[in-house]
Amino acid sequence: AQTVTQSQPEMSVQEAETVTLSCTYDTSESDYYLFWYKQPPSRQMILVIRQEAYKQQNATENRFSVNFQKAAKSFSLKISDSQLGDAAMYFCAYSPPAGTASKLTFGTGTRLQVTL
Amino acid sequence: ETGVTQTPRHLVMGMTNKKSLKCEQHLGHNAMYWYKQSAKKPLELMFVYNFKEQTENNSVPSRFSPECPNSSHLFLHLHTLQPEDSALYLCASSQDWGVGGRTETQYFGPGTRLLVL
Repeated sequence: AQTVTQSQPEMSVQEAETVTLSCTYDTSESDYYLFWYKQPPSRQMILVIRQEAYKQQNATENRFSVNFQKAAKSFSLKISDSQLGDAAMYFCAYSPPAGTASKLTFGTGTRLQVTL
Repeated sequence: ETGVTQTPRHLVMGMTNKKSLKCEQHLGHNAMYWYKQSAKKPLELMFVYNFKEQTENNSVPSRFSPECPNSSHLFLHLHTLQPEDSALYLCASSQDWGVGGRTETQYFGPGTRLLVL
């Protein structure tokens, strides 16, 4: 079974600084999908970024980027120029290969605090 | 706002009550999901519906009963729950259930915070 591990229960970053959230996963598949979701205190889970494993290029979305290391099964999220609105729980998730069921396996989350 | 709404946002119920959670998506998606989110645990997938048909039941106790009358609405009927069922229940939707050689992104609702006394 696939597992997703987020080893940092909590992280803190100063406004305007950069922070990296870690995620590792375990799978025997060669093709799969990885996601980072953000859950602010309002509780609505929001997709931050998505990466297809067959793509070597790291995904980016504005201030959010990933460092996808397929051999190491690592998928970290980098947030640049952190803002107060970035404070939230961040969940890393894995999805099986295309063509199979879209079952997401989530990590336990990392709570990010943004300080002034 | 992700286009997925859930009601109620908060619910307190006794162990002998019967209540229902409602989810509605306005995205034109065909697949809908129920997840349970407990403190310090990963989100747990409970049920999946694709084109109104249940395609996944992740060994959920029968005191949870899902219903999907159409692709836009999903219900979770609750009866004789236990205190350990207290959690945040999240609904999500995606374009479809992993068909067509593509894994679809799931979009989540705000959740219903359930407390069972």
